[in-house]
Amino acid sequence: GENVEQHPSTLSVQEGDSAVIKCTYSDSASNYFPWYKQELGKGPQLIIDIRSNVGEKKDQRIAVTLNKTAKHFSLHITETQPEDSAVYFCAASRSGTSYGKLTFGQGTILTVHP
Amino acid sequence: SAVISQKPSRDICQRGTSLTIQCQVDSQVTMMFWYRQQPGQSLTLIATANQGSEATYESGFVIDKFPISRPNLTFSTLTVSNMSPEDSSIYLCSVEGLYGYTFGSGTRLTVV
Repeated sequence: GENVEQHPSTLSVQEGDSAVIKCTYSDSASNYFPWYKQELGKGPQLIIDIRSNVGEKKDQRIAVTLNKTAKHFSLHITETQPEDSAVYFCAASRSGTSYGKLTFGQGTILTVHP
Repeated sequence: SAVISQKPSRDICQRGTSLTIQCQVDSQVTMMFWYRQQPGQSLTLIATANQGSEATYESGFVIDKFPISRPNLTFSTLTVSNMSPEDSSIYLCSVEGLYGYTFGSGTRLTVV
Protein backbone atom coordinates (compact mmCIF):
# COMPACT_ATOMS: atom_id res chain seq x y z
CA GLY A 1 0.00 0.00 0.00
CA GLU A 2 0.82 3.67 -0.11
CA ASN A 3 3.30 5.15 2.35
CA VAL A 4 3.70 8.90 2.83
CA GLU A 5 6.64 10.44 4.66
CA GLN A 6 6.48 14.08 5.80
CA HIS A 7 9.24 16.40 7.01
CA PRO A 8 9.91 18.28 9.17
CA SER A 9 7.79 17.24 12.14
CA THR A 10 8.04 20.74 13.62
CA LEU A 11 8.79 24.06 11.95
CA SER A 12 9.22 27.41 13.63
CA VAL A 13 9.42 30.63 11.60
CA GLN A 14 9.19 34.35 12.12
CA GLU A 15 6.18 36.23 10.80
CA GLY A 16 6.78 37.19 7.19
CA ASP A 17 9.20 34.35 6.50
CA SER A 18 8.45 31.45 4.17
CA ALA A 19 7.71 27.90 5.30
CA VAL A 20 8.29 24.73 3.29
CA ILE A 21 7.02 21.26 4.15
CA LYS A 22 8.02 18.23 2.09
CA CYS A 23 6.42 14.83 1.49
CA THR A 24 7.38 11.72 -0.40
CA TYR A 25 5.07 8.92 -1.48
CA SER A 26 5.64 5.35 -2.56
CA ASP A 27 2.72 4.39 -4.84
CA SER A 28 3.35 5.52 -8.41
CA ALA A 29 -0.38 5.09 -9.12
CA SER A 30 -1.30 7.87 -6.68
CA ASN A 31 -2.73 10.81 -8.62
CA TYR A 32 -4.09 13.22 -6.06
CA PHE A 33 -2.12 15.08 -3.39
CA PRO A 34 -3.97 17.34 -0.95
CA TRP A 35 -2.69 19.41 1.93
CA TYR A 36 -4.73 19.88 5.07
CA LYS A 37 -4.52 22.36 7.92
CA GLN A 38 -5.77 21.22 11.29
CA GLU A 39 -6.35 23.64 14.11
CA LEU A 40 -6.85 22.54 17.68
CA GLY A 41 -10.19 20.82 18.22
CA LYS A 42 -11.14 20.88 14.56
CA GLY A 43 -11.20 18.48 11.66
CA PRO A 44 -8.66 18.82 8.83
CA GLN A 45 -9.41 21.60 6.35
CA LEU A 46 -8.28 21.32 2.75
CA ILE A 47 -6.03 24.26 1.88
CA ILE A 48 -4.68 23.26 -1.52
CA ASP A 49 -4.36 20.17 -3.67
CA ILE A 50 -2.64 19.06 -6.85
CA ARG A 51 -3.29 16.31 -9.33
CA SER A 52 -0.66 14.30 -11.11
CA ASN A 53 -1.13 16.04 -14.46
CA VAL A 54 0.10 19.35 -13.00
CA GLY A 55 3.53 20.27 -11.67
CA GLU A 56 2.65 23.34 -9.64
CA LYS A 57 -0.39 25.10 -8.27
CA LYS A 58 -0.67 28.38 -6.43
CA ASP A 59 -3.39 30.05 -4.39
CA GLN A 60 -2.41 33.44 -2.98
CA ARG A 61 0.30 32.78 -0.35
CA ILE A 62 0.16 29.01 -0.69
CA ALA A 63 1.71 26.89 -3.42
CA VAL A 64 2.24 23.19 -3.96
CA THR A 65 4.79 21.56 -6.27
CA LEU A 66 4.80 17.97 -7.47
CA ASN A 67 7.67 15.92 -8.88
CA LYS A 68 6.16 12.66 -10.15
CA THR A 69 9.48 11.19 -11.17
CA ALA A 70 10.95 11.60 -7.71
CA LYS A 71 7.57 10.97 -6.06
CA HIS A 72 7.66 13.99 -3.84
CA PHE A 73 5.56 17.08 -3.33
CA SER A 74 5.96 20.20 -1.24
CA LEU A 75 3.87 22.90 0.38
CA HIS A 76 5.17 26.46 0.29
CA ILE A 77 3.68 29.21 2.43
CA THR A 78 5.00 32.72 1.83
CA GLU A 79 4.64 35.79 4.05
CA THR A 80 3.61 33.66 7.00
CA GLN A 81 1.23 35.05 9.60
CA PRO A 82 0.55 33.95 13.20
CA GLU A 83 -2.81 32.55 12.08
CA ASP A 84 -0.95 30.09 9.85
CA SER A 85 0.15 28.32 13.04
CA ALA A 86 -1.43 24.85 12.98
CA VAL A 87 -0.68 21.23 12.14
CA TYR A 88 -0.30 20.57 8.42
CA PHE A 89 -0.79 17.16 6.83
CA CYS A 90 0.04 15.99 3.35
CA ALA A 91 -1.78 13.04 1.83
CA ALA A 92 -1.90 10.92 -1.29
CA SER A 93 -4.59 8.86 -2.97
CA ARG A 94 -5.73 7.19 -6.18
CA SER A 95 -8.61 9.60 -6.49
CA GLY A 96 -11.66 8.50 -8.41
CA THR A 97 -10.94 4.79 -8.10
CA SER A 98 -12.14 2.11 -5.74
CA TYR A 99 -8.81 2.61 -3.97
CA GLY A 100 -9.60 6.30 -3.41
CA LYS A 101 -8.61 6.44 0.24
CA LEU A 102 -6.23 9.05 1.61
CA THR A 103 -2.92 8.05 3.14
CA PHE A 104 -1.57 10.79 5.38
CA GLY A 105 1.89 11.94 6.30
CA GLN A 106 2.86 12.25 9.94
CA GLY A 107 2.08 15.95 10.16
CA THR A 108 4.09 19.14 10.68
CA ILE A 109 3.49 21.48 13.59
CA LEU A 110 4.04 24.98 12.18
CA THR A 111 4.55 27.85 14.62
CA VAL A 112 4.71 31.40 13.31
CA HIS A 113 6.17 33.83 15.83
CA PRO A 114 4.95 37.45 15.72
CA SER B 1 -17.75 20.85 -1.34
CA ALA B 2 -19.89 18.53 0.79
CA VAL B 3 -20.90 19.56 4.29
CA ILE B 4 -20.55 16.87 6.93
CA SER B 5 -22.28 16.83 10.30
CA GLN B 6 -20.77 14.51 12.84
CA LYS B 7 -22.23 13.62 16.23
CA PRO B 8 -21.38 13.60 19.04
CA SER B 9 -18.57 16.14 19.01
CA ARG B 10 -17.10 14.64 22.15
CA ASP B 11 -17.88 12.05 24.78
CA ILE B 12 -16.41 10.49 27.89
CA CYS B 13 -17.21 6.79 28.17
CA GLN B 14 -16.63 4.02 30.66
CA ARG B 15 -14.41 1.14 29.62
CA GLY B 16 -16.32 -1.87 28.35
CA THR B 17 -19.13 0.20 26.87
CA SER B 18 -19.81 1.12 23.22
CA LEU B 19 -20.28 4.44 21.45
CA THR B 20 -21.94 5.03 18.08
CA ILE B 21 -20.79 8.00 16.03
CA GLN B 22 -23.03 9.41 13.33
CA CYS B 23 -22.01 11.08 10.10
CA GLN B 24 -24.53 12.94 7.92
CA VAL B 25 -23.61 14.39 4.51
CA ASP B 26 -25.62 17.05 2.69
CA SER B 27 -25.29 15.28 -0.67
CA GLN B 28 -25.23 11.71 -1.93
CA VAL B 29 -21.80 10.11 -1.98
CA THR B 30 -20.65 6.68 -3.02
CA MET B 31 -17.91 6.12 -0.49
CA MET B 32 -17.56 7.32 3.06
CA PHE B 33 -14.35 6.90 5.02
CA TRP B 34 -13.78 6.58 8.75
CA TYR B 35 -10.46 7.67 10.25
CA ARG B 36 -8.90 7.55 13.70
CA GLN B 37 -6.50 10.18 14.99
CA GLN B 38 -4.74 9.18 18.16
CA PRO B 39 -3.47 11.98 20.42
CA GLY B 40 -0.75 13.97 18.69
CA GLN B 41 -0.72 11.61 15.72
CA SER B 42 -1.71 11.57 12.09
CA LEU B 43 -4.94 10.19 10.63
CA THR B 44 -5.25 6.46 10.03
CA LEU B 45 -8.00 4.97 7.89
CA ILE B 46 -10.22 2.51 9.74
CA ALA B 47 -12.55 1.48 6.93
CA THR B 48 -14.30 2.46 3.73
CA ALA B 49 -18.10 2.26 3.73
CA ASN B 50 -20.08 1.78 0.52
CA GLN B 51 -23.84 1.87 0.51
CA GLY B 52 -25.36 -1.58 0.15
CA SER B 53 -22.25 -3.57 0.93
CA GLU B 54 -20.10 -4.44 3.89
CA ALA B 55 -17.41 -2.00 4.86
CA THR B 56 -13.82 -2.69 3.87
CA TYR B 57 -11.48 -2.60 6.85
CA GLU B 58 -7.82 -1.68 6.86
CA SER B 59 -5.15 -3.84 8.39
CA GLY B 60 -5.35 -3.72 12.16
CA PHE B 61 -9.06 -2.89 12.31
CA VAL B 62 -11.84 -5.49 12.58
CA ILE B 63 -15.58 -5.40 12.19
CA ASP B 64 -16.28 -6.76 15.68
CA LYS B 65 -14.47 -3.80 17.22
CA PHE B 66 -15.60 -1.12 14.75
CA PRO B 67 -18.92 -2.12 13.18
CA ILE B 68 -20.07 0.28 10.49
CA SER B 69 -23.49 0.87 8.99
CA ARG B 70 -24.22 2.60 5.69
CA PRO B 71 -28.00 2.54 5.22
CA ASN B 72 -28.11 5.15 2.45
CA LEU B 73 -25.97 7.48 0.35
CA THR B 74 -25.91 10.33 2.89
CA PHE B 75 -25.45 8.63 6.26
CA SER B 76 -23.11 6.29 8.08
CA THR B 77 -22.36 5.24 11.64
CA LEU B 78 -19.22 3.92 13.29
CA THR B 79 -19.47 2.06 16.58
CA VAL B 80 -16.49 1.72 18.88
CA SER B 81 -17.21 -1.47 20.84
CA ASN B 82 -16.04 -2.74 24.20
CA MET B 83 -13.95 0.36 24.69
CA SER B 84 -10.64 0.55 26.51
CA PRO B 85 -8.50 3.62 27.30
CA GLU B 86 -6.44 2.85 24.18
CA ASP B 87 -9.50 3.76 22.09
CA SER B 88 -9.28 7.37 23.27
CA SER B 89 -8.88 9.24 19.99
CA ILE B 90 -10.56 11.58 17.58
CA TYR B 91 -12.74 9.73 15.07
CA LEU B 92 -13.49 11.45 11.77
CA CYS B 93 -15.62 10.68 8.78
CA SER B 94 -14.75 11.86 5.30
CA VAL B 95 -16.19 11.85 1.80
CA GLU B 96 -14.72 12.39 -1.63
CA GLY B 97 -16.39 15.07 -3.72
CA LEU B 98 -15.74 17.10 -6.81
CA TYR B 99 -13.31 19.33 -4.94
CA GLY B 100 -11.46 16.71 -2.97
CA TYR B 101 -11.98 15.00 0.34
CA THR B 102 -13.98 16.75 3.06
CA PHE B 103 -13.82 15.88 6.75
CA GLY B 104 -16.28 16.17 9.55
CA SER B 105 -15.26 18.08 12.66
CA GLY B 106 -14.57 14.83 14.46
CA THR B 107 -15.67 13.06 17.63
CA ARG B 108 -13.24 13.37 20.52
CA LEU B 109 -13.59 10.19 22.56
CA THR B 110 -12.12 9.73 26.02
CA VAL B 111 -12.39 6.31 27.64
CA VAL B 112 -11.99 6.17 31.41
